[in-house]
Amino acid sequence: KQEVTQIPAALSVPEGENLVLNCSFTDSAIYNLQWFRQDPGKGLTSLLLIQSSQREQTSGRLNASLDKSSGRSTLYIAASQPGDSATYLCAVSSPGNTPLVFGKGTRLSVIA
Amino acid sequence: NAGVTQTPKFQVLKTGQSMTLQCAQDMNHNSMYWYRQDPGMGLRLIYYSASEGTTDKGEVPNGYNVSRLNKREFSLRLESAAPSQTSVYFCASSESVSLANYGYTFGSGTRLTVV
Repeated sequence: KQEVTQIPAALSVPEGENLVLNCSFTDSAIYNLQWFRQDPGKGLTSLLLIQSSQREQTSGRLNASLDKSSGRSTLYIAASQPGDSATYLCAVSSPGNTPLVFGKGTRLSVIA
Repeated sequence: NAGVTQTPKFQVLKTGQSMTLQCAQDMNHNSMYWYRQDPGMGLRLIYYSASEGTTDKGEVPNGYNVSRLNKREFSLRLESAAPSQTSVYFCASSESVSLANYGYTFGSGTRLTVV
């Protein structure tokens, strides 16, 4: 059974700092990995989707990397801003027609 | 805006009452899902429908039923609500269950409180 872990559970950084959020998964046989953002009381917004054949994806100040062999992904946020404060979740899609399995998220606070 | 629409956004039920959560998508996706989100537990899959006419249990199906009404709509029913079903419910859709080239799209959620 696929399990997804996100460490740390919470992170607080000063504005302007570059930061890395971590995601690990137990079964490296994945199809893709998706990073989401969730603001308090809101739904999930997709940030980046990395297919299993890719090593990284970039969108603006966000860069997500994938290392299937080690079962790890990182989300890099450059020059963090208070507006980046949210919970970030990663989720993996695995063979066997099984739906996305989610980590519990990292709650990020960027302090002005 | 195209996407996944959930109704209602908020609901308070008394223990034992029944209700149906509605979900509709307009992206012509084949697969649809119901997740619940609880503090400290993350998102857990309740039921999903890989394609029109099929439904499968997820991690936490007890106390729920689903109906894939057509390709666009996937409803979640609580037959006899319990306080343990107090949660935020999210509906999602994708082109397919695993090989989703554009990932999953989520609705804005339904906050359900059972008293």
